[in-house]
Amino acid sequence: KNEVEQSPQNLTAQEGEFITINCSYSVGISALHWLQQHPGGGIVSLFMLSSGKKKHGRLIATINIQEKHSSLHITASHPRDSAVYICAVSGRSFGNEKLTFGTGTRLTIIP
Amino acid sequence: DAGVTQSPTHLIKTRGQQVTLRCSPKSGHDTVSWYQQALGQGPQFIFQYYEEEERQRGNFPDRFSGHQFPNYSSELNVNALLLGDSALYLCASSSTGNEQYFGPGTRLTVT
Repeated sequence: KNEVEQSPQNLTAQEGEFITINCSYSVGISALHWLQQHPGGGIVSLFMLSSGKKKHGRLIATINIQEKHSSLHITASHPRDSAVYICAVSGRSFGNEKLTFGTGTRLTIIP
Repeated sequence: DAGVTQSPTHLIKTRGQQVTLRCSPKSGHDTVSWYQQALGQGPQFIFQYYEEEERQRGNFPDRFSGHQFPNYSSELNVNALLLGDSALYLCASSSTGNEQYFGPGTRLTVT
């Protein structure tokens, strides 16, 4: 079993729909990261969070430390949101900031 | 601030050859991590450098080695290339305990 599991693997939605991507992890962490990767490879960090909720524009990320679960929400989705969204966790101790990644969720928003 | 930069962008090598990839971290960052992303998969941690030393290492053979220079830039070296080393190689920089910023990656093709 992978340390970081994401669901769904693929998601297709109509423009304007509310999107939710889920991430569960099985190890102790210092932080959870949501990343976006477009075709061609570049990765952009969307959120780094260790508790509660963060919001940036139409993106919202939440984390429940007790349940070891995080969600990424996109409101009013747009075709430009089409990308692979990756959940990653970083270790608990100082000097253990390596990221362990989920396999990603491929999101396609249809106009 | 140029952010994290990597060179070269693309590279084609032959089996058995050696390759060196380069990464310049974001200004103010002292930690550099390297990841390998095979096609269709999530990134895998190779190693992390801090204060010119390898601080952590993932499950990669000794053919993969690295270096960090006093200006915090870093190199990834791969010897005796195999076809399976074909991947996108990502560099990420951070200051200890903080968010990682990713470079655009180097796409290595081994023929």
